[in-house]
Amino acid sequence: GESVGLHLPTLSVQEGDNSIINCAYSNSASDYFIWYKQESGKGPQFIIDIRSNMDKRQGQRVTVLLNKTVKHLSLQIAATQPGDSAVYFCAEIPPNQAGTALIFGKGTTLSVSS
Amino acid sequence: DGGITQSPKYLFRKEGQNVTLSCEQNLNHDAMYWYRQDPGQGLRLIYYSQIVNDFQKGDIAEGYSVSREKKESFPLTVTSAQKNPTAFYLCASSTSGWATGELFFGEGSRLTVL
Repeated sequence: GESVGLHLPTLSVQEGDNSIINCAYSNSASDYFIWYKQESGKGPQFIIDIRSNMDKRQGQRVTVLLNKTVKHLSLQIAATQPGDSAVYFCAEIPPNQAGTALIFGKGTTLSVSS
Repeated sequence: DGGITQSPKYLFRKEGQNVTLSCEQNLNHDAMYWYRQDPGQGLRLIYYSQIVNDFQKGDIAEGYSVSREKKESFPLTVTSAQKNPTAFYLCASSTSGWATGELFFGEGSRLTVL
């Protein structure tokens, strides 16, 4: 079964608000996590990643937070724009799985209204 | 431009027919992957290949077959043994060793069984 999941399947926000998308993972030994964005009818695109030796990592308008104590991952999007509307997936690499594929969660659909 | 090309984008199949989905990459990546995506679901791994002439089954390999005769190409055949083949199929590639863990995805192929 899946070891990565998301708290909410959908999230609706107003343009300009900050968005927080959450993800829970089950394998405490996983050491690498990635967030992907998938627009309708397209393949997922890499947003940001984080390794287990970090608690926080920032990109352009996005921040990923990792709480290993409760096995929780979140993606924060600042000043959300209509172009941010998409499905967001978290993914993990389980331990001792270097060279094999990521395990994806089910995704959260973010809808941004103007 | 470097990237991954999947074809066809849309494909219709009658029950009992085999179909082959094409995936070509010019990123010089060693590893390639096939994922299946169903509505409201995450990505599930079908097959992956870390090197030419070698591939491994993923979580849902039954009813599918692949080949990796060239580094650039990783075609997926959906056989008549696949009981529920209607889905969105995504091909991806990555560098080996998970230096970044980033997967580069194609635009996907949507297969519909009539």
